[in-house]
Amino acid sequence: GAVVSQHPSWVICKSGTSVKIECRSLDFQATTMFWYRQFPKQSLMLMATSNEGSKATYEQGVEKDKFLINHASLTLSTLTVTSAHPEDSSFYICSARTGQVPYEQYFGPGTRLTVT
Amino acid sequence: RKEVEQDPGPFNVPEGATVAFNCTYSNSASQSFFWYRQDCRKEPKLLMSVYSSGNEDGRFTAQLNRASQYISLLIRDSKLSDSATYLCVVRTNDMRFGAGTRLTVKP
Repeated sequence: GAVVSQHPSWVICKSGTSVKIECRSLDFQATTMFWYRQFPKQSLMLMATSNEGSKATYEQGVEKDKFLINHASLTLSTLTVTSAHPEDSSFYICSARTGQVPYEQYFGPGTRLTVT
Repeated sequence: RKEVEQDPGPFNVPEGATVAFNCTYSNSASQSFFWYRQDCRKEPKLLMSVYSSGNEDGRFTAQLNRASQYISLLIRDSKLSDSATYLCVVRTNDMRFGAGTRLTVKP
């Protein structure tokens, strides 16, 4: 199947700093990318949907100024957690969807963020 | 009401047991349905898509009832390696995940 990579896979940062997470589709063009967050023992919650070249659409309750999403190309989307706080510590997973029927969606391996 | 609801679990079963997972969804416009499995600290991986006619893949059988907005997954002859969290996923414009049901298969 198609491959989606994320970098970094694991990051620890201090409270107040910003962290950028990259999501790449390695062997296909992803017109749409999704960012999910998963807290321990909870399910994946969709944070935002981004289409290449346009602004991301955020789910209710997700602060767009805190979680900056850029989808500048068909193979790369980035999520920047600005002024991170300990409550932002979570498992962030991106997903990329192909632009053609049947619009398969593939998940990245996730990035574990710990804010101290 | 949550968009996708699953049995809370956890399920602890012996090897060889048959185990069933249930899921309901609220959006009648949902178009695609899936079961994913997620191992601890890993991303979810597609187990199987779910079709209205029902579909089987080895020991795994999935069923969809659109009228009841209900999805199920049956695992027969469970193996130790089946231990994971099983996620019911429903797609309209994007994928929505259930909270997952944790399965532990014991020797």
